[in-house]
Amino acid sequence: EDQVTQSPEALRLQEGESSSLNCSYTVSGLRGLFWYRQDPGKGPEFLFTLYSAGEEKEKERLKATLTKKESFLHITAPKPEDSATYLCAVQAAGNTPLVFGKGTRLSVIA
Amino acid sequence: NAGVTQTPKFRILKIGQSMTLQCTQDMNHNYMYWYRQDPGMGLKLIYYSVGAGITDKGEVPNGYNVSRSTTEDFPLRLELAAPSQTSVYFCASYALGGAGYGYTFGSGTRLTVV
Repeated sequence: EDQVTQSPEALRLQEGESSSLNCSYTVSGLRGLFWYRQDPGKGPEFLFTLYSAGEEKEKERLKATLTKKESFLHITAPKPEDSATYLCAVQAAGNTPLVFGKGTRLSVIA
Repeated sequence: NAGVTQTPKFRILKIGQSMTLQCTQDMNHNYMYWYRQDPGMGLKLIYYSVGAGITDKGEVPNGYNVSRSTTEDFPLRLELAAPSQTSVYFCASYALGGAGYGYTFGSGTRLTVV
């Protein structure tokens, strides 16, 4: 069974304090690992897809990396507007539906 | 483009009532999904469809039904609502090989069963 575990459940940072969110996964043949951002009362918003170990992608203050067992979402010098829940999901081979983790709730305090 | 549109945004149902959650996408995506999200939990797959006329069960299908008569629409039917179906429901769509490769989600329907 495909599984995704995210840690920590919640993270509180001061503005400018860099940190990382972790996503550990087990999947039978990884086709892709996805990161989403979700604001309160809204649907998830797509951030990144990573396909193979060693791959990295960046968008503004966010950088996602992938190994064979986990992915990290690095947040550099975060701002209050980065506060959201960040969801990780995996897709197994065969174009199966995404399996999501429970998310990390990030709060950035000014 | 409107993307994925879900209606209604909020609904309160009494136990035993039925309702249909509507989902429409205007991106000509073949794949569509229904997820539910409970507090502190991730998204759990209810049903999905890979094209018009084709549907399949996800992780938590009990108490729900779906149909896919057109590419654009993927309604979710709740029969005999139960308190355990209180949740936020998200519809998503996806085009194989599409730009960004990610699912596009609607804004959700918040359902309370009392």
